Amino acid sequence: RKEVEQDPGPFNVPEGATVAFNCTYSNSASQSFFWYRQDCRKEPKLLMSVYSSGNEDGRFTAQLNRASQYISLLIRDSKLSDSATYLCVVNINSGGSNYKLTFGKGTLLTVNP
Amino acid sequence: DVKVTQSSRYLVKRTGEKVFLECVQDMDHENMFWYRQDPGLGLRLIYFSYDVKMKEKGDIPEGYSVSREKKERFSLILESASTNQTSMYLCASDREPNTEAFFGQGTRLTVV
Repeated sequence: RKEVEQDPGPFNVPEGATVAFNCTYSNSASQSFFWYRQDCRKEPKLLMSVYSSGNEDGRFTAQLNRASQYISLLIRDSKLSDSATYLCVVNINSGGSNYKLTFGKGTLLTVNP
Repeated sequence: DVKVTQSSRYLVKRTGEKVFLECVQDMDHENMFWYRQDPGLGLRLIYFSYDVKMKEKGDIPEGYSVSREKKERFSLILESASTNQTSMYLCASDREPNTEAFFGQGTRLTVV
């Protein structure tokens, strides 16, 4: 089983739609969780961290379920500018206090006018 | 403004050449990472370092080595470049496990 798995996508949605991305991770020792966004031909950038209590930033809501080892990202009222690849990211303990930052393959979202 | 800088945006090298990819961060971050990104495969971790002169293998270290002689600089070395190492290489750094990682702009390496 891959360490971080995401919906393969691609997702094509109209403006204003609500879209949800899912991600699972295999290592229960995983410490911290994120969603990154990558625009075409650009480097990944942090969208939001994911906390056990769930967190919201404007139109974006992230959820973490440690028992199920599952992470989600919900985007409400999609905008054209939300078109990008969304990357699920997990910090996995690699021994002692060290960890490795591990990415899912990403899900491409296209928001259409 | 925080910054991770990779020495080249585009690089073309011949098979068998020794290739150095350089990455410098100005944020005094402890941890640095090298990834390669390929279509359909996502970002895959090659090597990472959590301290000067320390390194750990990632998921695909074969054919690569790294050097971290100074805290701000993390170099990726292709000992003998091969065509299957043609890829986008991304360097990243962060301070702690639960903090934001910052990426360089990437180096698109073509091995011919």
